[in-house]
Amino acid sequence: DAKTTQPNSMESNEEEPVHLPCNHSTISGTDYIHWYRQLPSQGPEYVIHGLTSNVNNRMASLAIAEDRKSSTLILHRATLRDAAVYYCILRAGNNAGNMLTFGGGTRLMVKP
Amino acid sequence: GAGVSQSPRYKVAKRGQDVALRCDPISGHVSLFWYQQALGQGPEFLTYFQNEAQLDKSGLPSDRFFAERPEGSVSTLKIQRTQQEDSAVYLCASSTPEGLGSEQFFGPGTRLTVL
Repeated sequence: DAKTTQPNSMESNEEEPVHLPCNHSTISGTDYIHWYRQLPSQGPEYVIHGLTSNVNNRMASLAIAEDRKSSTLILHRATLRDAAVYYCILRAGNNAGNMLTFGGGTRLMVKP
Repeated sequence: GAGVSQSPRYKVAKRGQDVALRCDPISGHVSLFWYQQALGQGPEFLTYFQNEAQLDKSGLPSDRFFAERPEGSVSTLKIQRTQQEDSAVYLCASSTPEGLGSEQFFGPGTRLTVL
């Protein structure tokens, strides 16, 4: 799987929007962009994924650059419960058998 | 509804002991994955099952690591002759073959400490 680059950490104030960037300049045409997050002492949980178009769900929005070499996870109003490590992952195709290749992720700290 | 469960949640082993870690996936999930997460790192893939078939074991770090899923449901990850470098959180995840994105559902993990 192609590599992703994320900042090690970011800070946000509660109830403000958060934009978490991810660079993936070597993405291939069949790679999907997945985001997972891991709260303290828990397993990772799925946040959102996309291929080319921007995506929205109840948790977040995903903005994908036109050339697909970068993407941004957007939390519209950060809460204290959003403090977690956020992983940007490229996954070949959409096959259930494809494992996730995690990088170091971005540790998001939310200040009250 | 019930998610992925793992047991035990914590395991302390003396170096050289054998351990067995259990994963109960979400009922009906065909795909099952094991990951290893060292302290401060992201999870790393160990092995993948589709039903009872182990289709990918390329991530198992040595022949001391063995995983099985004999009836296509519960899975066990066994580590023989544990070493200190095996200390990590072992995560299990399951997913369905259909569905957009085939998201993986993770259990809480088993934290293994080898003394």
